[in-house]
Amino acid sequence: NAGVTQTPKFRVLKTGQSMTLLCAQDMNHEYMYWYRQDPGMGLRLIHYSVGEGTTAKGEVPDGYNVSRLKKQNFLLGLESAAPSQTSVYFCASSSIAYNEQFFGPGTRLTVL
Amino acid sequence: AQSVTQPDIHITVSEGASLELRCNYSYGATPYLFWYVQSPGQGLQLLLKYFSGDTLVQGIKGFEAEFKRSQSSFNLRKPSVHWSDAAEYFCAVGVSGNQAGTALIFGKGTTLSVSS
Repeated sequence: NAGVTQTPKFRVLKTGQSMTLLCAQDMNHEYMYWYRQDPGMGLRLIHYSVGEGTTAKGEVPDGYNVSRLKKQNFLLGLESAAPSQTSVYFCASSSIAYNEQFFGPGTRLTVL
Repeated sequence: AQSVTQPDIHITVSEGASLELRCNYSYGATPYLFWYVQSPGQGLQLLLKYFSGDTLVQGIKGFEAEFKRSQSSFNLRKPSVHWSDAAEYFCAVGVSGNQAGTALIFGKGTTLSVSS
């Protein structure tokens, strides 16, 4: 039982490049989330999903897109990376609303 | 709007001393309350949670937290801190009807340093 996994762990991009971060969970959770963590800012919600095929915007969605084609996977895309998107990205999942969220180990992204 | 405040950005405690990390929230009803810990370079791990019932909640690693409705607080405590407790601690609130739907609202975190 791996819990929540994230791929890749580290990535360096140049401004304007695109990439996709993959989150996978093996707990059969309905809800999945993408956060970004910046120094002094805590965790801020980017997008979330309440089930397969559904996604919604969080607090800071601009510049990101997401997809949830399979229940166990939640993808976060950056179409044209900007230096302001340099951050640590965390994926999380939960079984029901307002309940404990299980976090992945994070992806450290640097945009030059 | 709902919010979570952790007033202390950084706290240093001597090993063996007691610890209290503060958390205040802004919400009309009783929310779901959580404390998470993040070790350097790691993801977040749940320490404890409060949904209802006894307002004193026990968690892992010897931590406890007390919900005080009158003060809108959910402070985290530990009677004797170990060097391995050095980490960043996040308080989080789960509320219904918030703008982000079903997600949690996190405080900005408190960094705990432990001195020998």
